[in-house]
Amino acid sequence: DAGITQSPRHKVTETGTPVTLRCHQTENHRYMYWYRQDPGHGLRLIHYSYGVKDTDKGEVSDGYSVSRSKTEDFLLTLESATSSQTSVYFCATGASTGTEAFFGQGTRLTVV
Amino acid sequence: AQTVTQSQPEMSVQEAETVTLSCTYDTSESNYYLFWYKQPPSRQMILVIRQEAYKQQNATENRFSVNFQKAAKSFSLKISDSQLGDTAMYFCAFMKPFNAGNMLTFGGGTRLMVKP
Repeated sequence: DAGITQSPRHKVTETGTPVTLRCHQTENHRYMYWYRQDPGHGLRLIHYSYGVKDTDKGEVSDGYSVSRSKTEDFLLTLESATSSQTSVYFCATGASTGTEAFFGQGTRLTVV
Repeated sequence: AQTVTQSQPEMSVQEAETVTLSCTYDTSESNYYLFWYKQPPSRQMILVIRQEAYKQQNATENRFSVNFQKAAKSFSLKISDSQLGDTAMYFCAFMKPFNAGNMLTFGGGTRLMVKP
């Protein structure tokens, strides 16, 4: 299994607070992604990264920012959490030479 | 932009029987990949099967096979000899590879329950 670790695994936070989710990989994959999973919507892309300090927006990027200062780490920040951001968040990675995506275990975030 | 549609939110099947999950997609691309992912209650995303659009032969992985109809933009998953461990959410996904970062576009998912 690809070494992708998400932290925390579960988090409850209050509306209006900033939240940062971390994704750490040991595979040296070039691409990293953040998705959110909601019932009926499957997984939707929030942001992705081509490499260090090289990121771009996905389908549902409003209210989220990302940073990638090292190949192995990809951080997702909710600037000011809202109840609509209650979701399960998945990090994934991919090698530039392949087509398979490798997923972390997911983070369940609840905004109250 | 690509869209992926799974029209069956929930399905059930008796153990040992065969079930087919439907997926349709919309794209103007000619070269792409299609995937089926399984998500059991553990929440882990598991790749079940992959199909390359330029290959006419349908992909097969043990009890899992696909019916890929490129002209119809259809990509169904057949599970033969269903087992209790097949109970999970199944997601169909599309990828336009090797440019723009290999992102996946997912369908809304089908919840499959295998009954003993």
